[in-house]
Amino acid sequence: AQTVTQSQPEMSVQEAETVTLSCTYDTSESDYYLFWYKQPPSRQMILVIRQEAYKQQNATENRFSVNFQKAAKSFSLKISDSQLGDAAMYFCAYRRDDKIIFGKGTRLHILP
Amino acid sequence: DSGVTQTPKHLITATGQRVTLRCSPRSGDLSVYWYQQSLDQGLQFLIQYYNGEERAKGNILERFSAQQFPDLHSELNLSSLELGDSALYFCASSRGGHNEQFFGPGTRLTVL
Repeated sequence: AQTVTQSQPEMSVQEAETVTLSCTYDTSESDYYLFWYKQPPSRQMILVIRQEAYKQQNATENRFSVNFQKAAKSFSLKISDSQLGDAAMYFCAYRRDDKIIFGKGTRLHILP
Repeated sequence: DSGVTQTPKHLITATGQRVTLRCSPRSGDLSVYWYQQSLDQGLQFLIQYYNGEERAKGNILERFSAQQFPDLHSELNLSSLELGDSALYFCASSRGGHNEQFFGPGTRLTVL
């Protein structure tokens, strides 16, 4: 069965610094999608970035980028130039066909 | 604003009661997903509908049921409510397949 593991329950980063959130997953499939979602205090779930497993190039969205290591089944999220508005719970998610599995989340604190 | 709407925003009820949560997907989205998020927990996938048909089932209790109507809106019915059912219930929609899901603002259910 597929699983998604986020090993860091909480992390802190100084404003303007860079932070990396870890995510590993387990699957025997070769074609799937990976996502990072952000959940701020408002509790709204917001898509941050997505990665198709068949693409070798790492996805990037402005200050957010991923390090996708398919063989290692690792999908980390890097946030550059951290801002106060980045403070949130971050969820890693795996999807293949209609099956989607979320990790338990990493709570990110931004220190002013 | 994701384009997914959920009503009501908040619901307070008593144990043993029955409630209905409603979700309207984004225009053009055929898939609707329901998730439960208990306090400081990750998202638990409950059930998915695609164009009116049940497509996938997760950890949904027998006391819970859902349906998707011809206009593609969906309802999640929770019956014989227990204190442990208190949670944030999210609806998400997507075009289907491997597309990312867009989440509604959630319905916060409190069972007293």
